Amino acid sequence: EAGVAQSPRYKIIEKRQSVAFWCNPISGHATLYWYQQILGQGPKLLIQFQNNGVVDDSQLPKDRFSAERLKGVDSTLKIQPAKLEDSAVYLCASSHGGRDGDTQYFGPGTRLTVL
Amino acid sequence: AQSVSQHNHHVILSEAASLELGCNYSYGGTVNLFWYVQYPGQHLQLLLKYFSGDPLVKGIKGFEAEFIKSKFSFNLRKPSVQWSDTAEYFCAVSYSGTYKYIFGTGTRLKVLA
Repeated sequence: EAGVAQSPRYKIIEKRQSVAFWCNPISGHATLYWYQQILGQGPKLLIQFQNNGVVDDSQLPKDRFSAERLKGVDSTLKIQPAKLEDSAVYLCASSHGGRDGDTQYFGPGTRLTVL
Repeated sequence: AQSVSQHNHHVILSEAASLELGCNYSYGGTVNLFWYVQYPGQHLQLLLKYFSGDPLVKGIKGFEAEFIKSKFSFNLRKPSVQWSDTAEYFCAVSYSGTYKYIFGTGTRLKVLA
């Protein structure tokens, strides 16, 4: 079974630029998550999709971050404009969805550096 | 607010030593509990999880964890660590019906050969 794919793996941009990350979940997984992991901290959920609908985006800074999951499969996360404090690893995860105790499977992440 | 605390941020052990990493979560009803591991250069992988039933959960690579409801704890244990256990360990909680994880800050374990 192929894992969660993410690209790019690394990205360096200057502040005020925009950036986009892509995620392809495990085939058949209905739920997709984007996390932000700042150095020295645990992953923090940004947004959760169930198929192509948003379930939870309460911690997404909506003035600069946006995400979509067209057709309920792959997803993109965008930051526009980026700030220095957005430097972090952005993790995508997926799960079967809809059941308590579902295991989330994580991708390798995209390491973003904002200069 | 719902939260997870991992008390040990850095742990250094010699090979064959026993390991216990603490994890406490805030009350919020029925929970599902997880331990994930991130080896150097790799992505987060599930070590073990508690969903229901026996509070002593066994995972991969000889790890186990015990859910103690009265203490809101889910500590990770291994009787004898190996050099290859060097990694960062994350505890996570999912409150029933939410499906989302709340992660602790992680514990960086270094095992000396």
